[in-house]
Amino acid sequence: GDSVTQMEGPVTLSEEAFLTINCTYTATGYPSLFWYVQYPGEGLQLLLKATKADDKGSNKGFEATYRKETTSFHLEKGSVQVSDSAVYFCALSDRAGKSTFGDGTTLTVKP
Amino acid sequence: EPEVTQTPSHQVTQMGQEVILRCVPISNHLYFYWYRQILGQKVEFLVSFYNNEISEKSEIFDDQFSVERPDGSNFTLKIRSTKLEDSAMYFCASRIQGEDYGYTFGSGTRLTVV
Repeated sequence: GDSVTQMEGPVTLSEEAFLTINCTYTATGYPSLFWYVQYPGEGLQLLLKATKADDKGSNKGFEATYRKETTSFHLEKGSVQVSDSAVYFCALSDRAGKSTFGDGTTLTVKP
Repeated sequence: EPEVTQTPSHQVTQMGQEVILRCVPISNHLYFYWYRQILGQKVEFLVSFYNNEISEKSEIFDDQFSVERPDGSNFTLKIRSTKLEDSAMYFCASRIQGEDYGYTFGSGTRLTVV
């Protein structure tokens, strides 16, 4: 079946540091790929998405590129802020719309 | 911005009791889902619902679980006889038809079974 593997956390960075959270996937067919963010005490919010190979999703300074050749969708941000502290989930969605999530990576940004 | 609304935000129930978790999806969305997240663990798929019927369900979604869209706006998840291990955050999600499979999630219901 489909699976998503995320870089293990937690990740702790200083403000303005560069962020990378790795994500690789296994799927049949051509899934859509997503990053969701969960702030403390809140639900899941869609951060960005890419629906086909070489697409780049971006939002709020975060980016991720759908790499079919390496089956990856790594999340990056050039300069993190304290307010970016959250849990980040990589996910894929099959053609029926069912999603498979990674384990989540906790990011803490210190001032 | 349209939202998926879930109620209640937190429910405490005794083991063996029935609970109903409620969700109001976005009005023009056609596909509805329930996921759960046990504290500190990954988000797990429970069930998907389209055209007034279940389209897929996971192994977790056994006979104790059921879903309903009783009135065209609400989408409910019922657990008939709760167990301690049902304690989790339950998220409702909906999406519109099309290639964009990104969900809009509700803020979740934290279910605590005691």
